[in-house]
Amino acid sequence: DTAVSQTPKYLVTQMGNDKSIKCEQNLGHDTMYWYKQDSKKFLKIMFSYNNKELIINETVPNRFSPKSPDKAHLNLHINSLELGDSAVYFCASSQGRRGVVLYTGELFFGEGSRLTVL
Amino acid sequence: AQTVTQSQPEMSVQEAETVTLSCTYDTSESDYYLFWYKQPPSRQMILVIRQEAYKQQNATENRFSVNFQKAAKSFSLKISDSQLGDAAMYFCAYRSLGSGNTGKLIFGQGTTLQVKP
Repeated sequence: DTAVSQTPKYLVTQMGNDKSIKCEQNLGHDTMYWYKQDSKKFLKIMFSYNNKELIINETVPNRFSPKSPDKAHLNLHINSLELGDSAVYFCASSQGRRGVVLYTGELFFGEGSRLTVL
Repeated sequence: AQTVTQSQPEMSVQEAETVTLSCTYDTSESDYYLFWYKQPPSRQMILVIRQEAYKQQNATENRFSVNFQKAAKSFSLKISDSQLGDAAMYFCAYRSLGSGNTGKLIFGQGTTLQVKP
């Protein structure tokens, strides 16, 4: 079973469209993240949820809206797509804080979703 | 704010040789984690090794080891007996453990490692 799974893996769409990327983790973690990897491979945090509560909201256009229906799922919806939104989007999960049994500190990543806006 | 810097955009190593990737970071905190992640062409982010700041002993994982210099804020990765499968982009990352931390990873710019047969 894949620990962190994202769908779709590839997404090609026209400028101005709306699209969603879904993420699910089966690790029992309480914190989930969205990262964006740009064309230069730089990874930057976008959002993070802890037990369905938004705890990180970096400087991201409000066209991007995350939603966490439960602590195992974190979806990303993007409105009015622009050329600059083309990137690979990674979902990740982790145990929130040290003190949890077997805390390892790392983030577990999904395989990434490559979004291409034409 | 914490920052992570990888000053080597590209590195090259001969198969079976040893290579060291550099990473420096800036923080005022004393409690944190440091990581090296590997991203092969498949784009999957794979954890290579982790280091807890309060542990003085350098972490090792088989052919991978780190040189953690807390005072110098340096965290280099040594790959011994390099293999063709080690070719990938390597990211150094920092995770704060201070009170009120949000648990996010802060990444360096990455180093592309080429392994020559």
